[in-house]
Amino acid sequence: DADVTQTPRNRITKTGKRIMLECSQTKGHDRMYWYRQDPGLGLRLIYYSFDVKDINKGEISDGYSVSRQAQAKFSLSLESAIPNQTALYFCATSEGTSGNEQFFGPGTRLTVL
Amino acid sequence: GQNIDQPTEMTATEGAIVQINCTYQTSGFNGLFWYQQHAGEAPTFLSYNVLDGLEEKGRFSSFLSRSKGYSYLLLKELQMKDSASYLCAVAPGAGSYQLTFGKGTKLSVIP
Repeated sequence: DADVTQTPRNRITKTGKRIMLECSQTKGHDRMYWYRQDPGLGLRLIYYSFDVKDINKGEISDGYSVSRQAQAKFSLSLESAIPNQTALYFCATSEGTSGNEQFFGPGTRLTVL
Repeated sequence: GQNIDQPTEMTATEGAIVQINCTYQTSGFNGLFWYQQHAGEAPTFLSYNVLDGLEEKGRFSSFLSRSKGYSYLLLKELQMKDSASYLCAVAPGAGSYQLTFGKGTKLSVIP
């Protein structure tokens, strides 16, 4: 079984709809991250969480919110989706010390029409 | 601010050696990562450098010069399956676990 899972894997929605992307991990890591990836722009950090009580904005948090329901679960919400939020979204986890790699989920391809 | 530069695309021949460069300018430095990403898939970890020098891991090696803000990833004995994007990422400061990613280098391996 995959260590980091994301649901759904693909989603098509309409402008103005509320969308939630979910991430679960079985690695026991404290740190979790949400990124979006756009062609030509690379991976950009949306939000990150160092533990259940700690949530931080990343580079591009506007239009997004997150919830850390448990150590293993970190959800990303788009309150009112817009077309320029069409992207590939990745969740990642890491251990609690610097130098540790981030482990990525398989990604969610979101299309906002 | 953070700035990470790497070439957009490269092409190399199967069996050859290719070097992918990455230069960075960040407000702090706590290590540099290389990831491999096949099209439509998740990035996977290749290497981590925090001290100057060369780290070798099988066909892949990674080099870091902190004074020059420079790293490279060296791929030897290229195989078709090495066709992928290679992402350079910097951890900007002590105690910081965020990564700032470059835009990636798309490597095409041709027969």
